[in-house]
Amino acid sequence: DSGVTQTPKHLITATGQRVTLRCSPRSGDLSVYWYQQSLDQGLQFLIQYYNGEERAKGNILERFSAQQFPDLHSELNLSSLELGDSALYFCASSVSLGSPTDTQYFGPGTRLTVL
Amino acid sequence: AQKITQTQPGMFVQEKEAVTLDCTYDTSDPSYGLFWYKQPSSGEMIFLIYQGSYDQQNATEGRYSLNFQKARKSANLVISASQLGDSAMYFCAMSVRDAGNKLTFGGGTRVLVKP
Repeated sequence: DSGVTQTPKHLITATGQRVTLRCSPRSGDLSVYWYQQSLDQGLQFLIQYYNGEERAKGNILERFSAQQFPDLHSELNLSSLELGDSALYFCASSVSLGSPTDTQYFGPGTRLTVL
Repeated sequence: AQKITQTQPGMFVQEKEAVTLDCTYDTSDPSYGLFWYKQPSSGEMIFLIYQGSYDQQNATEGRYSLNFQKARKSANLVISASQLGDSAMYFCAMSVRDAGNKLTFGGGTRVLVKP
């Protein structure tokens, strides 16, 4: 158990809908990262938050947004869902912001299926 | 830009034998971290081992060791005394200071341990 929690574990929805994925980082970790794992694109970084502020953006679609709350949990919002958004979405957390030596610990993931 | 290459899409290994998973990386940043993660069929991403670019010695964690050859830009994972539970996908990843410490992943290697 990494200490990172994600809910829900599975999500099945229809095209055009909006969903919210939730993540709680490990105790003491201030950075939260979101990643998407799909069959065609592999594991890709989406976005990072540190202590409530957005710090880095990757290949995140405009239909997707995220935030980190004062209690450090984070939510990833996916809207106007398309079939191609079906993927495994991971949240990861690490202690700090600025060191490439910080280990990122991953949650169990949310498997999103868009029908 | 950072790049991670894992050239072995899949491999078999006999139980109790050692296996080496290849990983090469590309970055111009002198400060970086290299990570290996295990993804069993259940889907979670499990951190295995880490190597920093300035570390003089190769990292070891139990049955896992990282063969770090900086000049060749390789960071191969060695799993000794393979067990049936080692059957999984293995991902090599890199974080770089100038890229905001996001993880860049390779395509993964699927390992199947035979009894």
